[in-house]
Amino acid sequence: GAVVSQHPSWVICKSGTSVKIECRSLDFQATTMFWYRQFPKQSLMLMATSNEGSKATYEQGVEKDKFLINHASLTLSTLTVTSAHPEDSSFYICSPLFGGEGRKTQYFGPGTRLLVL
Amino acid sequence: AQSVTQPDIHITVSEGASLELRCNYSYGATPYLFWYVQSPGQGLQLLLKYFSGDTLVQGIKGFEAEFKRSQSSFNLRKPSVHWSDAAEYFCAVGPYSGGYNKLIFGAGTRLAVHP
Repeated sequence: GAVVSQHPSWVICKSGTSVKIECRSLDFQATTMFWYRQFPKQSLMLMATSNEGSKATYEQGVEKDKFLINHASLTLSTLTVTSAHPEDSSFYICSPLFGGEGRKTQYFGPGTRLLVL
Repeated sequence: AQSVTQPDIHITVSEGASLELRCNYSYGATPYLFWYVQSPGQGLQLLLKYFSGDTLVQGIKGFEAEFKRSQSSFNLRKPSVHWSDAAEYFCAVGPYSGGYNKLIFGAGTRLAVHP
């Protein structure tokens, strides 16, 4: 159980283009979704938290107009990197929250590696 | 402030040897504790979690962890390491204060396994 998929697994794009990353919880519903980015040999950095049907809450220093998050359903969330630049190259991981009160657990997608040329 | 410390950045063990990865946390109340493993180029996989009850928690892949409140620790152990266990291991705290909040991660411990 608690299977999470991300698509695409890797993407290469030109500077200035936009890239959409999809995250799906395949066997459970998630009212809350977290999006992380991870640089090589570092821990995860939380970018934003979204609740289904609500606007995402962004962490300090994360540009909300650059990283658009849509959590339109309980099984699908998307992260769009708008006007991507080389410094946006990173590993992006989604993490839906699952479980009842007092037992909530974050599960993680397999990640999407983005390379901006 | 809440924090998680993994004192060991790198650990190398021989295949078949026992393993203990350390994790200490700082939190005002009883935290919810997690261990995740990340293989290169992959997302994080949940190894085990502690919410309450028995302080010795069994997880997947033969891992276990023990919550010690007096030491603010949640160390991960495995009696016999396999080469496939080579990966990055993250300890995390899930603070609860009237609702779920974000996970706080340690910096990670990279495990290498010698044949």
